[in-house]
Amino acid sequence: EVVLTQSPDFQSVTPKEKVTITCRASLIIGNGLHWYQQKPGQSPKLLIKYASQSISGVPSRFSGSGSGTDFTLTISSLEAEDAATYYCLQSTSLPQTFGQGTKLEIK
Amino acid sequence: EVQLVQSGAEVKKPGESLKISCQGSGYRFDFYWIAWVRQMPGKGLESMGIIYPRDSDTRYSPSFEGQVTISVDKSITTAYLQWSGLQASDTAIYYCARLSTALAPLGSFDIWGQGTMVTVSS
Repeated sequence: EVVLTQSPDFQSVTPKEKVTITCRASLIIGNGLHWYQQKPGQSPKLLIKYASQSISGVPSRFSGSGSGTDFTLTISSLEAEDAATYYCLQSTSLPQTFGQGTKLEIK
Repeated sequence: EVQLVQSGAEVKKPGESLKISCQGSGYRFDFYWIAWVRQMPGKGLESMGIIYPRDSDTRYSPSFEGQVTISVDKSITTAYLQWSGLQASDTAIYYCARLSTALAPLGSFDIWGQGTMVTVSS
């Protein structure tokens, strides 16, 4: 089973700040890595698929990069509405697995 | 509109059985794998297993093998998650989600249900 480790677990950030969240896989997974945003009381929402592919309707300030074992989600200029928990998911190897999550708090 | 609609919240006692549902619409249901995901209170997301509606091929994550049963009725475009003897530790929100790649257990979980809250308490 592929273990995904996100960092940091928690981050308190100021609006307009650039945010970077990383996800490291325990095995090589190519580009089979996807990013989700979950706000309290809501279902997860797909932000980025296959490491770097954008999703229709997702603001352009969200971007992804990486391949192999190391991946990054970047929010170029944080907005108040981005307060949420972010998860990575790998789909290369069954069973699919999630990272433990990164909670973003807005200062 | 492509969507997954889940059954409503449940409150059960330890030892009771339960079956929750996830109905798909707006797409070719039997072409796409369905996943079940657990979220315990205040915790992260855990993939429980996946099922292919076309032939009921089911793959469980090791932590959930033998603990739950995933099934499907493609005639009514509905997937199910069931327990035969609930425990307090099963208290969680359960989501179903569609795998984005048709015909193969690959890809992101692109469409999510609204979640079903299951509470197990004596």
